[in-house]
Amino acid sequence: KQEVTQIPAALSVPEGENLVLNCSFTDSAIYNLQWFRQDPGKGLTSLLLIQSSQREQTSGRLNASLDKSSGRSTLYIAASQPGDSATYLCAVLISGGYNKLIFGAGTRLAVHP
Amino acid sequence: NAGVTQTPKFQVLKTGQSMTLQCAQDMNHNSMYWYRQDPGMGLRLIYYSASEGTTDKGEVPNGYNVSRLNKREFSLRLESAAPSQTSVYFCASSLNRGGGYTFGSGTRLTVV
Repeated sequence: KQEVTQIPAALSVPEGENLVLNCSFTDSAIYNLQWFRQDPGKGLTSLLLIQSSQREQTSGRLNASLDKSSGRSTLYIAASQPGDSATYLCAVLISGGYNKLIFGAGTRLAVHP
Repeated sequence: NAGVTQTPKFQVLKTGQSMTLQCAQDMNHNSMYWYRQDPGMGLRLIYYSASEGTTDKGEVPNGYNVSRLNKREFSLRLESAAPSQTSVYFCASSLNRGGGYTFGSGTRLTVV
């Protein structure tokens, strides 16, 4: 059974720091991995999508890497800002069977001025 | 860019009442999904529709029914609401099997 774990569960940092959020999954047979952002009381916003054949994706100050063989992904946030405060969710789309996006519990990030 | 639109945004039901949550996407996506999000439980798949005309159960289908009305619309129905169905419901869509998911803004449902 695929399980997705995110570490740390919560993180509080001063503005300007570079951050690394970690995601691990137990079964390497994934189709893709997606990082989302969720603001309190809001929906999920897709940040980055990495296909299983890819190693990384970048969007602005965000960079996500994927190491399928070791079951790990990291989300790197450069020069953090208070507006980055949110919960970040990692999700893997499993191969075989039906489409199923399996989520981690998220990392709650607070960036203070 | 509408993306995935859910209605209503908020709803309060009494135990035993029924209601339908509506979802529509304008991205010509083939697959659509319903999730619920609960504190400490994360996001769990209720039902999905891989393509127009098909629907299948996810992890937590009990107490729900779905209809894929056409390619754009996928509704979730609670026939007899229970307090355990108090949750935030999200609809999502994806173009195909390997595509990224786009989520709606959610419906916050309270059953009293």
